[in-house]
Amino acid sequence: DAGVTQSPTHLIKTRGQQVTLRCSPKSGHDTVSWYQQALGQGPQFIFQYYEEEERQRGNFPDRFSGHQYPNYSSELNVNALLLGDSALYLCASSLRYINTEAFFGQGTRLTVV
Amino acid sequence: QQQVKQSPQSLIVQKGGISIINCAYENTAFDYFPWYQQFPGKGPALLIAIRPDVSEKKEGRFTISFNKSAKQFSLHIMDSQPGDSATYFCAASRRPGYSSASKIIFGSGTRLSIRP
Repeated sequence: DAGVTQSPTHLIKTRGQQVTLRCSPKSGHDTVSWYQQALGQGPQFIFQYYEEEERQRGNFPDRFSGHQYPNYSSELNVNALLLGDSALYLCASSLRYINTEAFFGQGTRLTVV
Repeated sequence: QQQVKQSPQSLIVQKGGISIINCAYENTAFDYFPWYQQFPGKGPALLIAIRPDVSEKKEGRFTISFNKSAKQFSLHIMDSQPGDSATYFCAASRRPGYSSASKIIFGSGTRLSIRP
């Protein structure tokens, strides 16, 4: 049983560019959450998708957007990249009404230069 | 606004010793308190979790102690081993309602090193 898979594992982008990160949830899960983890910090909640809709959003600007597909996979898009967007982006999947046990992927390391 | 405060930032423990990490929360609506373990280059992995209706939960060498009145909880790692060297995060969340999602609020992390 595959866990949460994220792609790519590493990415280098130039300031001002746009980036798309992808996540496939654990089998049987229908909810995907995205987190940003800056170096030496705890993960910060970006947003959560369920039934292809954004259900809750953290304190992140509109440059951060997402999408969920009918097969529950999800994308995180970041526009107009800033140096401060450099971080590990984590995807977590869970089952909607048993949201207590979230499984995390290994993350995508984004470096903005 | 930091809703979960974690200490210490780093911790060095001798092999076989007890590692203790402390957390405090602010929002009394939280009803689920997990601990995550993260190794370099990996995502966080759920280690152990507790609900506020119990004061202690033990799984193997890992124990969570929970003090609801003080809004504090802690992780104890007994007989600490070099393989336990990792970053540990406490966290808190709310059980989701019918129309609301639940997010996990993480502490700032504790880098634990176990010396052989």
